[in-house]
Amino acid sequence: EAQVTQNPRYLITVTGKKLTVTCSQNMNHEYMSWYRQDPGLGLRQIYYSMNVEVTDKGDVPEGYKVSRKEKRNFPLILESPSPNQTSLYFCASSLYAAVVYEQYFGPGTRLTVT
Amino acid sequence: RKEVEQDPGPFNVPEGATVAFNCTYSNSASQSFFWYRQDCRKEPKLLMSVYSSGNEDGRFTAQLNRASQYISLLIRDSKLSDSATYLCVVRDTGRRALTFGSGTRLQVQP
Repeated sequence: EAQVTQNPRYLITVTGKKLTVTCSQNMNHEYMSWYRQDPGLGLRQIYYSMNVEVTDKGDVPEGYKVSRKEKRNFPLILESPSPNQTSLYFCASSLYAAVVYEQYFGPGTRLTVT
Repeated sequence: RKEVEQDPGPFNVPEGATVAFNCTYSNSASQSFFWYRQDCRKEPKLLMSVYSSGNEDGRFTAQLNRASQYISLLIRDSKLSDSATYLCVVRDTGRRALTFGSGTRLQVQP
């Protein structure tokens, strides 16, 4: 089954404790991205990756890091989480950047930073 | 001003009703337009693309008005299963990313 998986689905953590949210897709997609969704603000792109070892900032990259060492995986790293990073996070992938509108989203990770 | 603006709703309509949502966008160079659907606490999914000539998919009709910079989504004969949040999405020329509106919530009632 074609899918994007994220782990964990729910996470409560404390300010400053480094965490990683994993994202994996099994569709051999080149383009992957991370979004956060906050009430009243819609989905905002954090980082994206055009292919292995190629990553770039989205609209709200501050406080986040990513890596793309393998095509299927695109982890999101919060080195020192803060309460304003409490949000719902989605990973997404599409075959190419040109068809980003046909992206598959993961089920989401609800993060709470206290 | 937000790049993509939507009325958050909720729109509460009875089954069988026709309901329409509008969405305005601020960048006149925006190239592509889409409607996504998002069920409560779930991931967004592409509902339909919006073409300049308008397009229809079953009970759903999407239209684009470039002069006024808005797109619309019309749902006919609403079903309970149409209850969801509808996200207006825009892709600007040369950008590899999408800009999402904050969504309009629809609640179809029996």
